[in-house]
Order: sequence, then C-alpha cells, then structure tokens
Amino acid sequence: NAGVTQTPKFRVLKTGQSMTLLCAQDMNHEYMYWYRQDPGMGLRLIHYSVGEGTTAKGEVPDGYNVSRLKKQNFLLGLESAAPSQTSVYFCASSPGTGGIGNQPQHFGDGTRLSIL
Amino acid sequence: KQEVTQIPAALSVPEGENLVLNCSFTDSAIYNLQWFRQDPGKGLTSLLLIQSSQREQTSGRLNASLDKSSGRSTLYIAASQPGDSATYLCAVRGSGSARQLTFGSGTQLTVLP
Repeated sequence: NAGVTQTPKFRVLKTGQSMTLLCAQDMNHEYMYWYRQDPGMGLRLIHYSVGEGTTAKGEVPDGYNVSRLKKQNFLLGLESAAPSQTSVYFCASSPGTGGIGNQPQHFGDGTRLSIL
Repeated sequence: KQEVTQIPAALSVPEGENLVLNCSFTDSAIYNLQWFRQDPGKGLTSLLLIQSSQREQTSGRLNASLDKSSGRSTLYIAASQPGDSATYLCAVRGSGSARQLTFGSGTQLTVLP
C-alpha cells in the first residue's frame, strides 16, 4: 500500500549541478503535481500533469522541467540548481474523475533539497 | 490573485479541549476548500474537502465549515488529543479555468497531555 513514493528523500547539491526528483504512484491516478514548501509559506505549485504525456506550468515553474512519460511516474528536473531552489519538494496525485481539483490529493513524504 | 491566510500560526491547548482553526481567503469565487494535516517530516494528509455548494463536512471529531460570502472556513476539533498535534493547512481551488490549489501557511497545533 505504497501510495505516492518520492525518491530521493534528501539531497545536497552544489550551485549549477543538475538532478531529477522521481515521483511514483500506484493508485492509477490521472493527475499528478509537484509543489515546493518553504518556511512560513504554504505549498506552491510548480508543474502539474493531467495525464500521461501531458504537463502544464503552475505558479512557480521557472528553473524546473517535468516529464510524464508513464502514467505512474512524474519527474521533476533541475537543470542548473540555484540556492533559491533550496526547499522541500512534494509530489501529489489525484483521480481524474470529477475534474481536476475535485478529488483530494494524495501526497508523498517529500524530498528535502539543499543547494549550496 | 487568491491569498489564503491562517491565523494563528501556532496554537497550544490542553488535552480534551475543543478548538477552532481559522482560514480566510480573499477571492470568494472558489470551487472547493480542503483541510490537510501535516506531521513533521511528512507529506500532507487530506482531512476534509468542502465543495463550494456545501456549508460543512464532518469526519469523526473533525468538522469543517465554509462561508464563501465572507471568505472564511473553520476546522473544529472536538475533545483534542495529543495525537492531534500537527500542522493544519487549508487550501482553496479557484473556479473557472484555475487548476491549482492555493495554500495557507498553516497553523501548528500542539495538544498538551
């Protein structure tokens, strides 16, 4: 009963390095989301996907890219990491029935990323 | 732009007390509102989802209300327990073409035994 699994759980990068965060869900959900959470702020949507092969920009997409090649996976990439991208990153998924946002989102446990 | 505010940022109560957490939003044209719980080092767990046409939702000791016209929602927790200690976040989904949730920054609740 895994739900939403994020890999890795922790990572430290140097400025300019690249990396990919992996999100996998086993609930056959259509919609998937990437958020970042910063101290004193709520979660902010980076990118989202309404189905395999589709992606869309959220509130804070700059500096990030995403891909949804398989329904169960949603990848978040940082091409050239910057200290401003130090944050906790959460992936979420939700069913497609009823339209996006009408069903509760299921969250992973987060990836804590530090950029030095 | 929708803004969601949760006050207070932190709350500490003795075990057994009934309590209310507050959430306010600036744009009343919402599609629904959700309350989440976040434990330290963990992701969010959805507690209650209220559609814009609804006034309240209940689950066990939790009751969430929604007043769209005033831009407010409350989460009522009855007979609080130490296990209720967590950060509680509310999030609203805009109507129309808006597809994202806008989150408040949360209320950190501590229930003292």
